[in-house]
Amino acid sequence: DAGITQSPRYKITETGRQVTLMCHQTWSHSYMFWYRQDLGHGLRLIYYSAAADITDKGEVPDGYVVSRSKTENFPLTLESATRSQTSVYFCASTQWEGYNSPLHFGNGTRLTVT
Amino acid sequence: GQQLNQSPQSMFIQEGEDVSMNCTSSSIFNTWLWYKQDPGEGPVLLIALYKAGELTSNGRLTAQFGITRKDSFLNISASIPSDVGIYFCAGHTGTASKLTFGTGTRLQVTL
Repeated sequence: DAGITQSPRYKITETGRQVTLMCHQTWSHSYMFWYRQDLGHGLRLIYYSAAADITDKGEVPDGYVVSRSKTENFPLTLESATRSQTSVYFCASTQWEGYNSPLHFGNGTRLTVT
Repeated sequence: GQQLNQSPQSMFIQEGEDVSMNCTSSSIFNTWLWYKQDPGEGPVLLIALYKAGELTSNGRLTAQFGITRKDSFLNISASIPSDVGIYFCAGHTGTASKLTFGTGTRLQVTL
């Protein structure tokens, strides 16, 4: 099925461990984004990418690393997970960055750090 | 960063009632967007507004871009059970990487 898929849907990890969240889109969209969703904060941008090998920080990038070696994949890595990174993570994509290009979201990964 | 104040935080309504929610900002936006998030899923775009004063409908949904460009509202008429979810407003000044989301309005519909 075409679209944007995230894996895993649920993940429990321990403090200090490295964990990678995967995002894959089949639309060949240029732009991809990672958001985290927390109660009382809405959605906050972690990192985004304008194209393969081009990434930039968003509002809350600390503790996260991204890469984009292929247009369709945009993995998010927590190098040493902390409890404050317990959250629901959403990946999104869009064809261009203009005002009339809406974001398409994946179904999210719920991450719990114990 | 920019902040969007969304209200109310949650609503409990009966099926058939109309719903109104709004979003205000201290900053001007060029675009206002309204998303809905169903339980366990990602947000889905409902309505996009591109001009101050613009009033746009999508079925039972109506949204307006405020004249001052600092606010927007969303109305849902004759609510039904599948309207349950979290509604987010979002605004940006021209680029998707600068999109700012509100904190969401959680809507519950009782029969």
